[in-house]
Amino acid sequence: AQKITQTQPGMFVQEKEAVTLDCTYDTSDPSYGLFWYKQPSSGEMIFLIYQGSYDQQNATEGRYSLNFQKARKSANLVISASQLGDSAMYFCAMREGYYGGSQGNLIFGKGTKLSVKP
Amino acid sequence: DGGITQSPKYLFRKEGQNVTLSCEQNLNHDAMYWYRQDPGQGLRLIYYSQIVNDFQKGDIAEGYSVSREKKESFPLTVTSAQKNPTAFYLCASSFDREGSPLHFGNGTRLTVT
Repeated sequence: AQKITQTQPGMFVQEKEAVTLDCTYDTSDPSYGLFWYKQPSSGEMIFLIYQGSYDQQNATEGRYSLNFQKARKSANLVISASQLGDSAMYFCAMREGYYGGSQGNLIFGKGTKLSVKP
Repeated sequence: DGGITQSPKYLFRKEGQNVTLSCEQNLNHDAMYWYRQDPGQGLRLIYYSQIVNDFQKGDIAEGYSVSREKKESFPLTVTSAQKNPTAFYLCASSFDREGSPLHFGNGTRLTVT
């Protein structure tokens, strides 16, 4: 079974509008972390935002926020006021376990391609 | 500026040849990782290392080898045993603490013909 599921292969959004990218995860570990990355066409992976499983509030970083619904095992990324430069692949990823006792690596979903229309 | 450097950006090899991809970081990170990305796919873990002179296999280690002789360096060798080596390879590093994100290099695109 997939650990990270991103059900939207591609999304379109109008410039200046908000968009939500879906991510669901599967783990039995009570301690985990969720990450979102952006990958432009140039290929580099850019870290956007992090949410820990014990965090009480949803994470926010500038125009990025994470809609964390623990009971539903969902960690959707919300991008507000979309810009043309937001066009890219977006990956949701999970790290299981406290870092010191786990592998430390991230498990990635297959990504969502976001296209921002002018 | 600190960062992760992967070289070269593009690499072409003939089938049957081993090839080594370089990865260097000056972020003083403890852990380093190698991921493979195929078109339309997410990243899959090849190898990772949490400490010098120690490394573990990831999900798709067959046909690959690594070394970690220095904290800053984690080279990946794609051997002739790797059946489908053409892919985009990404190196990453992170601190050994909860919540620490992986920082990635710009990747190496390997084409084997």
